[in-house]
Amino acid sequence: AQSVAQPEDQVNVAEGNPLTVKCTYSVSGNPYLFWYVQYPNRGLQFLLKYITGDNLVKGSYGFEAEFNKSQTSFHLKKPSALVSDSALYFCAVRPPNTDKLIFGTGTRLQVFP
Amino acid sequence: EPEVTQTPSHQVTQMGQEVILRCVPISNHLYFYWYRQILGQKVEFLVSFYNNEISEKSEIFDDQFSVERPDGSNFTLKIRSTKLEDSAMYFCASSLGSSGSYEQYFGPGTRLTVT
Repeated sequence: AQSVAQPEDQVNVAEGNPLTVKCTYSVSGNPYLFWYVQYPNRGLQFLLKYITGDNLVKGSYGFEAEFNKSQTSFHLKKPSALVSDSALYFCAVRPPNTDKLIFGTGTRLQVFP
Repeated sequence: EPEVTQTPSHQVTQMGQEVILRCVPISNHLYFYWYRQILGQKVEFLVSFYNNEISEKSEIFDDQFSVERPDGSNFTLKIRSTKLEDSAMYFCASSLGSSGSYEQYFGPGTRLTVT
């Protein structure tokens, strides 16, 4: 079965420190990979995507993500966290030849001052 | 920046009643989607829609569900006879194209509570 795993329910990091939110996937073929962020009472907001090419992709608000094909991972990173980055982060995968996104369970990022 | 909007933000209905959830996709987008998230569970795909037709649907999207684009701006999800297990957050999304390289933009969701 196709699935996306976000192994951490919550990640805590101090402001100014680097952050990583982990994502692994199990999908056949070469999927497209996405990260979304959700703030309270808001929709899922697109952050970045990997389609092809360079394994390190850059997105909004200073976030980046590293694609690793051999480990089927797509971890979200940021060199220096801000308190305002605190939110719920979702990894999503779009398998080939399908319209749907398959989501992970989400990881709550808490950045402490 | 253009956004997907959804109304109402919260809908409470009795079991067996029909509900219609409304969405206004981003104006130049051509592909539309519905997802749902039952409390504590993953966001799940329901259906995709293009050119006034369903292009893909999940096993969740049974005969109780239907979608429609009644005019040039709205996209609706109808549940004919709601069940308790339909209680969830329903998200509408839209994209400019259908290729996987096009990201989907999501609305804030409608929380449906079936009592």
